[in-house]
Amino acid sequence: DVKVTQSSRYLVKRTGEKVFLECVQDMDHENMFWYRQDPGLGLRLIYFSYDVKMKEKGDIPEGYSVSREKKERFSLILESASTNQTSMYLCASSPQGAPYNEQFFGPGTRLTVL
Amino acid sequence: AQKVTQAQTEISVVEKEDVTLDCVYETRDTTYYLFWYKQPPSGELVFLIRRNSFDEQNEISGRYSWNFQKSTSSFNFTITASQVVDSAVYFCALVNYGGSQGNLIFGKGTKLSVKP
Repeated sequence: DVKVTQSSRYLVKRTGEKVFLECVQDMDHENMFWYRQDPGLGLRLIYFSYDVKMKEKGDIPEGYSVSREKKERFSLILESASTNQTSMYLCASSPQGAPYNEQFFGPGTRLTVL
Repeated sequence: AQKVTQAQTEISVVEKEDVTLDCVYETRDTTYYLFWYKQPPSGELVFLIRRNSFDEQNEISGRYSWNFQKSTSSFNFTITASQVVDSAVYFCALVNYGGSQGNLIFGKGTKLSVKP
């Protein structure tokens, strides 16, 4: 059974803390994505990666960075968490190749920044 | 510019009713792909269907059916004889051919509640 896992379902952090959200996929997918989901705004892409050590900014990269040292793992980093980063974070992966394969999603991490 | 509009924020129906979720998209490209995803209360989005712009045939999968009409830039999703398990948030999404995988544009979602 294919799977995308995220390190935590719920996370509570304090303003100014450095936060790491981890995502692991076991499908040998080249592409990995981080989205943020907020009520009334749908899903917005933060960053994606199409290969190890490669990354591209999405629509809302400000305040975030990412790391992809291994193919199966894609980390989202909040360098200094702020209250406006309280949100649901979704990780996804998809295989390379045309045309536009479906993305497989993890269960999400609900982050609260106090 | 690309855009996906799901005008229905929330829909509530009683079990066994049919329900249609609307999706209207905007794109200047002639080749593009449309998707529907389901997000149940557990949180994990699940892929339902992908359609390319050259395939306007309607699709039926069990109780689910999709109506793609390029003339109205719509890709609507109908659930026949809805069930409580259909309760979820449904997202429509668009990507232009030639764009990267990261260019998938999601609508804001429609929350469907099916009551027993």
